[in-house]
Amino acid sequence: SAVISQKPSRDICQRGTSLTIQCQVDSQVTMMFWYRQQPGQSLTLIATANQGSEATYESGFVIDKFPISRPNLTFSTLTVSNMSPEDSSIYLCSVGDNRDIIKAFFGQGTRLTVV
Amino acid sequence: RKEVEQDPGPFNVPEGATVAFNCTYSNSASQSFFWYRQDCRKEPKLLMSVYSSGNEDGRFTAQLNRASQYISLLIRDSKLSDSATYLCVVSLNTGNQFYFGTGTSLTVIP
Repeated sequence: SAVISQKPSRDICQRGTSLTIQCQVDSQVTMMFWYRQQPGQSLTLIATANQGSEATYESGFVIDKFPISRPNLTFSTLTVSNMSPEDSSIYLCSVGDNRDIIKAFFGQGTRLTVV
Repeated sequence: RKEVEQDPGPFNVPEGATVAFNCTYSNSASQSFFWYRQDCRKEPKLLMSVYSSGNEDGRFTAQLNRASQYISLLIRDSKLSDSATYLCVVSLNTGNQFYFGTGTSLTVIP
């Protein structure tokens, strides 16, 4: 499976500021995704990061709040903009491995606390 | 209705016990099924895929019942290191739709 490096691993941020999370994969992957996992909850898909085009956002998530870049097949960033305490969560980068059936693999996650 | 539903537990079992987790999914078009394990403050990691014929990996056995839209995970001879949250995951195989259950918490007690 692909090795996924995500950083920062954690951060504490002031409300109103923005944080950019980076996701680096050691091989080219077709699919990259960003998830959010709020305390005690399961994973919610924010968006699919598309190489060379705008990300595809799920219901309830918008580009102005969560801009995503994917300049190539091994790298993506997620920005959490104009943060509020409600954005405190774990953000996870995921890649799809479609060598046989599609499976999801995750970066280590970014634990964000907004104060 | 949630796409994937699991009993959140917690399940507290003694070492050596057998424990079973269940999961149901709502979309009959689902194609792929998985169990993931998530340790505290860690990312989810793939435990095993679930096939229609059922599959076994050591102490872990996964079953899929498409007619009932039901998935199960059986852990035999529980170890302390099995303590984690187990996530049921379903995919439509359309490229980006992985649906996660809320997870079932397991604690194996010495």
